[in-house]
Order: sequence, then structure tokens, then C-alpha cells
Amino acid sequence: SQQGEEDPQALSIQEGENATMNCSYKTSINNLQWYRQNSGRGLVHLILIRSNEREKHSGRLRVTLDTSKKSSSLLITASRAADTASYFCATDANDYKLSFGAGTTVTVRA
Amino acid sequence: EPEVTQTPSHQVTQMGQEVILRCVPISNHLYFYWYRQILGQKVEFLVSFYNNEISEKSEIFDDQFSVERPDGSNFTLKIRSTKLEDSAMYFCASSVGQGIGYTFGSGTRLTVV
Repeated sequence: SQQGEEDPQALSIQEGENATMNCSYKTSINNLQWYRQNSGRGLVHLILIRSNEREKHSGRLRVTLDTSKKSSSLLITASRAADTASYFCATDANDYKLSFGAGTTVTVRA
Repeated sequence: EPEVTQTPSHQVTQMGQEVILRCVPISNHLYFYWYRQILGQKVEFLVSFYNNEISEKSEIFDDQFSVERPDGSNFTLKIRSTKLEDSAMYFCASSVGQGIGYTFGSGTRLTVV
């Protein structure tokens, strides 16, 4: 299975702190994507990193990809209450579909 | 920014009834998808659609399910005879190409009673 698996399952941090979550996957990928989901709502695309990229930034988000370890990390810097959500990694093996992990639930305390 | 639009946002149906979930993908996108998320579980791939035919489907996408692009703008998922276990959030997505980013709709929450 391609599925990404996130770690930790849940994370609780104070506003202003950084949040780091990890994703591991099993086979070769074309790219890896991170999504956010607020409770019971839709999936919001955050960032895409291609297999030939090692690091990517978007605002307060930093994503790394290590294809030799088949792992990725998502760092949210200077967290805010509005960052409270579930975060999912999804792998694209160029086979017309995304394989999602179970997600990390992030709670940012004010 | 272009959006994928899904209707309805919430649908309640009786077991055994047929439901049609509707999606309007982004206009210049060529690939279309349905995913579902049972409450508290992973988002699961159902089906992908390209060039007016199914590209790939998962084990979940059995004979009870069908997809259609009836005109140039809509993309529909039909469940012929709903079961209790079909209760989930169904997400439509589209992409301009393979691996070139996906845009998801906000989902349809289907409740089968």
C-alpha cells in the first residue's frame, strides 16, 4: 500500500509554538501533498512537494521530503488558534489517485 | 480562486434508496475524482475519471456505484441502493493533470438511515 502514515496521531501546543508532524510511506512516489481539514469540513490543499525536491516553504509552513527514508515532515511555525485542525499527508504515485494517511490532529491552545 | 463545487452539502436518505451526488469541477481540469471519508477514518480513494472514462477504481467502488459526466461541467456519483455503511463524507476533486495538484470540494455529508 502507498498509504502515508502520520505521526503523532495528536498534538497539543501553545499558541506561538511550532508544530511538527511526520509522514511515512511505503513505495515510490511522484509527489507528496499535505492537506488540512477543519472538523467535519472539506480538505484544503496546503503544499505539494515533488519527489526531486527536498524542502519547500509556504508562509509559515515548511515541508521536507526524504525519499531515501520514505518520509516527510510538516512544520507549522508560530502556531495560531486558527491552525487547530487535522493534517493529512497524501502520496501520489502517478497512478491517478492519492493515498491518504490517518492524519494528525493539532490543537493550538490560546 | 477557482473552486470545486459540490451539492448538496448534506443529504439524508433511506436505506435502499438511490442518491446522486453532484460536483462541478474546475473548468480547465481534465482529471476528476471521488473520495470518501467515513467519520473518524481515513480519506479513501473511490474512483478517477479521465477522457470520459474511469481510469481507476478502488475495491470500494463496486457495482452499486457509478460516475458520469453528463455534460461539459458536471461530474456525478450515483449510489444505486444505499446501505448504512455508505454514510460518509464524499469529496469530489479535480486536477489539471496527473500529479499537478488537486482541488477538493467541501464535500457532501451522506447519512443513510
